[in-house]
Amino acid sequence: RKEVEQDPGPFNVPEGATVAFNCTYSNSASQSFFWYRQDCRKEPKLLMSVYSSGNEDGRFTAQLNRASQYISLLIRDSKLSDSATYLCVVNMASNTGKLIFGQGTTLQVKP
Amino acid sequence: ETGVTQTPRHLVMGMTNKKSLKCEQHLGHNAMYWYKQSAKKPLELMFVYNFKEQTENNSVPSRFSPECPNSSHLFLHLHTLQPEDSALYLCASSRGQNYGYTFGSGTRLTVV
Repeated sequence: RKEVEQDPGPFNVPEGATVAFNCTYSNSASQSFFWYRQDCRKEPKLLMSVYSSGNEDGRFTAQLNRASQYISLLIRDSKLSDSATYLCVVNMASNTGKLIFGQGTTLQVKP
Repeated sequence: ETGVTQTPRHLVMGMTNKKSLKCEQHLGHNAMYWYKQSAKKPLELMFVYNFKEQTENNSVPSRFSPECPNSSHLFLHLHTLQPEDSALYLCASSRGQNYGYTFGSGTRLTVV
């Protein structure tokens, strides 16, 4: 089983749509969770951390389900500029701060 | 303007060449990382440094040799690479465990 698993997509949605991405992780001792965004041929950039109680940042909502080892990202009112690859990232519970990245889910928002 | 600077941005090298990638962070972070990103694959962790000490080597071939002279600088020395080593090499830094990373823009390496 992969340490961090995501559906690669692509997800093709119209502007204004709501879209959700899911991610599962294998290590139940994982402590920190993040969503990163990566544009084509650019470096990944931190989108948001994921907290146990769930958290929201504008149009973006992240959820964590520790029992099912599952993370989600919800994007409301999609914009053209949201088109990118979204990486699910998990801290592997070591003291090195090592992060493991999922393969990424590609989102294409169409006019 | 990222707080993590990588040079060069692009590099083409032959299999017999020796080159080095440089990374510098201006964020006061204690941990620095090298990742490799190949097409259609997840980012692969290569090396981890905490307070300039190597704390992880993720089974990386010896043709990749990291160096961390201080907490702000990280190098990746390359020699006798193979064409399959062509990839985007990303440097990142963080405050440590439980914190996200800040990435540099990466070096796009092509081995011919």
